[in-house]
Amino acid sequence: SQQGEEDPQALSIQEGENATMNCSYKTSINNLQWYRQNSGRGLVHLILIRSNEREKHSGRLRVTLDTSKKSSSLLITASRAADTASYFCATDPGGTYKYIFGTGTRLKVLA
Amino acid sequence: NAGVTQTPKFQVLKTGQSMTLQCAQDMNHNSMYWYRQDPGMGLRLIYYSASEGTTDKGEVPNGYNVSRLNKREFSLRLESAAPSQTSVYFCASSSQGRTEAFFGQGTRLTVV
Repeated sequence: SQQGEEDPQALSIQEGENATMNCSYKTSINNLQWYRQNSGRGLVHLILIRSNEREKHSGRLRVTLDTSKKSSSLLITASRAADTASYFCATDPGGTYKYIFGTGTRLKVLA
Repeated sequence: NAGVTQTPKFQVLKTGQSMTLQCAQDMNHNSMYWYRQDPGMGLRLIYYSASEGTTDKGEVPNGYNVSRLNKREFSLRLESAAPSQTSVYFCASSSQGRTEAFFGQGTRLTVV
């Protein structure tokens, strides 16, 4: 079974609205990362949050991490059509050197 | 700056054939990874190499072998391809295994 599970599986919003997606994981981690994948392309790193951090910002992105609940959320504010993509969380279970990805959230932003 | 380069981009194999997927990175990264992506399954880790000279199994290693040829190159071999190995394969690298990973553009493999 996969370490991370994203919720919702799919999300459709209007341009200008905020998009929130969640990630839950199973074991202790050193850090959690979020990636974006445009259709058929490789993944692109968005943001990394360490286990001792609770919140992190990067441009229109805000990530939170709750290690007690083993969950994270990614908020994209003022969404744009160009944000249409799949979003994945990735963790390093047990602080290992491997990244385990969740199943992803497919975001569609309607113009 | 090429980043992570995968070859080939597309491949069709017959059941039972073998092939090697090649991956090279020019960022002097220590760690390299092979993933497969199937619809609705996200990315699943096949094998990874934390540093030159080491390789470890990931979530779905059966049917695959890997070679960390040097610091730059990490290849994935299918000895006897099966239709269940039809997938998109991604190679990735990172500097220390605990920082962001950089991905190649993928290899689309179909086994008939």
